[in-house]
Amino acid sequence: DAKTTQPNSMESNEEEPVHLPCNHSTISGTDYIHWYRQLPSQGPEYVIHGLTSNVNNRMASLAIAEDRKSSTLILHRATLRDAAVYYCILRDVSIYNQGGKLIFGQGTELSVKP
Amino acid sequence: GAVVSQHPSRVICKSGTSVKIECRSLDFQATTMFWYRQFPKQSLMLMATSNEGSKATYEQGVEKDKFLINHASLTLSTLTVTSAHPEDSSFYICSARVPYPSYNEQFFGPGTRLTVL
Repeated sequence: DAKTTQPNSMESNEEEPVHLPCNHSTISGTDYIHWYRQLPSQGPEYVIHGLTSNVNNRMASLAIAEDRKSSTLILHRATLRDAAVYYCILRDVSIYNQGGKLIFGQGTELSVKP
Repeated sequence: GAVVSQHPSRVICKSGTSVKIECRSLDFQATTMFWYRQFPKQSLMLMATSNEGSKATYEQGVEKDKFLINHASLTLSTLTVTSAHPEDSSFYICSARVPYPSYNEQFFGPGTRLTVL
């Protein structure tokens, strides 16, 4: 599985946008970009995923670079409940790979200040 | 999203005993389930992939005789930690994946905190 690189930690102020970067220079054509987050003492929670185009959902937006070697998770207005570890994960979902596996890196610990 | 449950949420056991953790997909059928382990302040580590009706595939370095996985139905997978020792104390998390072609859908349970005395 291709590797991702994220900053260890980031800080944000409440009600402000947050941009969480992720580098994945070895991404392959069949790798989807997934974002999960984990609150303390809980299982990870799905945030968003994408392949080539930018994606929006009720939780966040995902901006994918044109060469797909990096992406950015955007939280439009951070709240205290958004404080969590955010994981950027590549997964090969081709039939050949039988859907692949989610291999977690270290993630970015986001703290939100009131 | 779909719901994955785990039972128990917390367990304390004596060294040398075995502990079984259940993982259930409540509102969908999961042909594939995954088991992860997470130590304090660390990321999740994938232990094994479990496919319904077949043997689990373990990641390198994970002892299959110590961590027994049974995926007997499309909604239930179990992880048994045999002869548990204090170093097995960890947060165990399962996840379940929606069948093809929706491979992008994978949902996680709330985790089970195991403490071995």
